[in-house]
This record gives sequence, structure tokens and C-alpha cells, in this order.
Amino acid sequence: EPEVTQTPSHQVTQMGQEVILRCVPISNHLYFYWYRQILGQKVEFLVSFYNNEISEKSEIFDDQFSVERPDGSNFTLKIRSTKLEDSAMYFCASTRGLGNNEQFFGPGTRLTVL
Amino acid sequence: DAKTTQPPSMDCAEGRAANLPCNHSTISGNEYVYWYRQIHSQGPQYIIHGLKNNETNEMASLIITEDRKSSTLILPHATLRDTAVYYCIVRVRRNFGNEKLTFGTGTRLTIIP
Repeated sequence: EPEVTQTPSHQVTQMGQEVILRCVPISNHLYFYWYRQILGQKVEFLVSFYNNEISEKSEIFDDQFSVERPDGSNFTLKIRSTKLEDSAMYFCASTRGLGNNEQFFGPGTRLTVL
Repeated sequence: DAKTTQPPSMDCAEGRAANLPCNHSTISGNEYVYWYRQIHSQGPQYIIHGLKNNETNEMASLIITEDRKSSTLILPHATLRDTAVYYCIVRVRRNFGNEKLTFGTGTRLTIIP
């Protein structure tokens, strides 16, 4: 069964450093998302992406964040200058759309900012 | 999206049916009820969704009341692997699927051996 994959599973970085979280969505899916979950808190929407552009973004997704689909298979989330409060699990999700829009989530990347 | 209310936690004996309630009294006519679960910090997993009819798949059954103001997710024979946080989410389901999911705090279901 096809699945969403994410790398790395755990990323440790120093405050102020740039990180790139990578996701490979399910191959025939058209819509892509990033969510995050701070330890002990709700899963929060960050951004949705379709046709090589952002469809919607939350207030969390400020200028420090960017997304890209560089090669037609990977979907990346970049945080330019990490802050302590960026420590969280980051989940990528994808959906096929076209009447079938159940979102399938990856296993997540645990980002720890020191 | 309509707001949902779920009990914070529930226990269920292994092998018994787990019945998880959700209230969504402000649901609109074009909003569907979705259920996801999250097993111990893994990515959320889609379970089932419905509009007004009862639905069943290989994972669960979804019972929606006639007035659509509440629903129940049923796991017919709960196993230890069903221990998770279960989220009831109400949202519009369009043909173009770029709508975000808005997660609440869900119900923490614990299956007891």
C-alpha cells in the first residue's frame, strides 16, 4: 500500500540554523500539506500546496517558513532561522483530490531546536 | 468548519466494541463527519467519513444521527493496537481537496487487556 514518507525521522539543530524537512507524498496525489504538533498539544495546520503554489497558510506559517516541490516527487518544508518554539513533530500529508480528499499522513519528523 | 465536542478519555475492554461519541450540533448541510486517529505521536490516520448515512469499512462503523448533530464511531472488536487519540472532524468535502483539517483535542481511547 502506498504511503507518505518523511526524512529525517529526528532532526536536532541549533537555534538560528536553517532546517529542511523532506516528504515524499503518495505518487498520484495532487495536494500536499504540512502540519505540526508541539509536544502535548493539538495537531496544527501550517500550509497547503497545490499546482506548485501555496493554497492556504496559517498564522504560524510566517516568513521564516517556506515550502517547495523541487522535483515532482519531494515536498519540502524549510525553516530559515529556527527558534526554540519550533521544536515539534512535523507531519506531511497528501491527498489525491478530484472527489477523493482523505488526507494521508507521513510518520513525522521530530525537530528539536537547542 | 463546525466545532465538535468529544469526551477527553475512554476505556474499553479488549475484544469489546468501542463506541466513541462526537457532538457537532452546528454542522452545516454540506459538511461531512470525518474520523482520524493518532497512535502515540505517529501521523494521524484516516478511519472513516460520512455525510448522513451510516458507513462501514474494514476499520470501523460510523453512525450519524438523523438530525446530524452527533455521531458515534464504533470499533467492533477493539484490540490493544486501537489504543490512540481519536479525532472527530467536521468539514466540507469538495471535489478539489485542498481543505485543511482542524484537529481538536480528541478522545484518548485506552484498550484494557
